[in-house]
Amino acid sequence: EDQVTQSPEALRLQEGESSSLNCSYTVSGLRGLFWYRQDPGKGPEFLFTLYSAGEEKEKERLKATLTKKESFLHITAPKPEDSATYLCAVQAVGDSRLTFGEGTQLTVNP
Amino acid sequence: DVKVTQSSRYLVKRTGEKVFLECVQDMDHENMFWYRQDPGLGLRLIYFSYDVKMKEKGDIPEGYSVSREKKERFSLILESASTNQTSMYLCASTLASAGYGYTFGSGTRLTVV
Repeated sequence: EDQVTQSPEALRLQEGESSSLNCSYTVSGLRGLFWYRQDPGKGPEFLFTLYSAGEEKEKERLKATLTKKESFLHITAPKPEDSATYLCAVQAVGDSRLTFGEGTQLTVNP
Repeated sequence: DVKVTQSSRYLVKRTGEKVFLECVQDMDHENMFWYRQDPGLGLRLIYFSYDVKMKEKGDIPEGYSVSREKKERFSLILESASTNQTSMYLCASTLASAGYGYTFGSGTRLTVV
């Protein structure tokens, strides 16, 4: 059974204080690892897909990396508007379904 | 801009009512999904569909059914709503090809009283 564990559950940062969110996963064969951002009361918004260990993707202050067992979402010099819940999900080879972690709730204080 | 549209943002229904949640996508995606999201439990897959008139059970299908009569529309049906079905319901769609992420709708917050 595919499993995704995200840590920490909640993270509070000061504006400009860089940090990382962790996503540990087990999957029979990785087809893709996905990061989403979710604002309160809204649906998740796609950020990145990573396909193989060593791959990195960047978007503004966010950078996602992937190893064979985990992924990190690095947030550099965050701003209050980066406050959201960040979700990680994996997709197994031969399957279109995603298995989600429970998310990390990020709060960035001004 | 591509979209997944859920018909209602908020719904309040009574116990025992039959409830229909509608989802429409305009991206010609083959695959469509219904999730529910609860605090501490994350997103859990209810049902999904790979094609018109096809449906597969997810992890928590009990008390739900689905309908996909057209490629763009995927409906979730609560046959007899119960209070433990109070939740945020999220619809998503994706291409059948490898490695594409889901596009989610904005969600329907359902309260069963």
